[in-house]
Amino acid sequence: NAGVTQTPKFRILKIGQSMTLQCAQDMNHNYMYWYRQDPGMGLKLIYYSVGAGITDKGEVPNGYNVSRSTTEDFPLRLELAAPSQTSVYFCASQPAGRNSPLHFGNGTRLTVT
Amino acid sequence: GQQVMQIPQYQHVQEGEDFTTYCNSSTTLSNIQWYKQRPGGHPVFLIQLVKSGEVKKQKRLTFQFGEAKKNSSLHITATQTTDVGTYFCAGPIYNQGGKLIFGQGTELSVKP
Repeated sequence: NAGVTQTPKFRILKIGQSMTLQCAQDMNHNYMYWYRQDPGMGLKLIYYSVGAGITDKGEVPNGYNVSRSTTEDFPLRLELAAPSQTSVYFCASQPAGRNSPLHFGNGTRLTVT
Repeated sequence: GQQVMQIPQYQHVQEGEDFTTYCNSSTTLSNIQWYKQRPGGHPVFLIQLVKSGEVKKQKRLTFQFGEAKKNSSLHITATQTTDVGTYFCAGPIYNQGGKLIFGQGTELSVKP
C-alpha cells in the first residue's frame, strides 16, 4: 500500500494563477480531508469528504474547491491564487468511524508570489 | 466555537531532560488523539485515549486523558534527539463524525 499520495511536493504560483493539488489513497478509506499548515498555527481544515460525491466545507474554505468523484481521489483546486494561500497543504484519509486515526500524505509546499 | 489549545508553543530542552505538553479543550471530548510531526515531515498518529483518566505509555512517552475529558498531556522522560518535532493533540468536533480539531502544536527541540 502506498497510503496517501500527494502531488506535487513543491509549487510556486504567481498571483492569479490556478492549480490543482492531487491526493490519492489506496486504503479504501471513506473519509478524506484537506488541511493547511501555517507556522505556529497548527492544522486548519479546508474541506472534507465522507464519501464519493459528498464534500463539505471546513474552517477555511474560501479560495478553494474540491471534488470527490471516486473513493480514491480528492483533488483540491485553487482558483486565482493569492499570497495568503502560501502554506503547506496536507491531505489525509480516515476509515469510517469517529475514533479512527488520520493518515496523512507527505504534503505540498505552495508559494504564491 | 470549539477550541483546542496547546501549551507551550515551543520547548527547548537539553538531551536527557523531561518534557511535557498540555492540551485543553473548550468542550468535553469523546476521545483525544496525539500526533508527531518531524521537521519537514507530515503528522503521524501516535495514540488515542478514550476513557476518563486513561493513562497509556509508549516506551518513554506517557499520555494522559483528564477525568473530565477536557484536557490531556504528553510527557516524555529523558528526551533524546530523536524526539525532536512538533506534537499535536486533536479531538473530534462535536457532532460532526470523524472530523478533528487540532491544537496549535508544541515544537520540541533537543540540544545534544
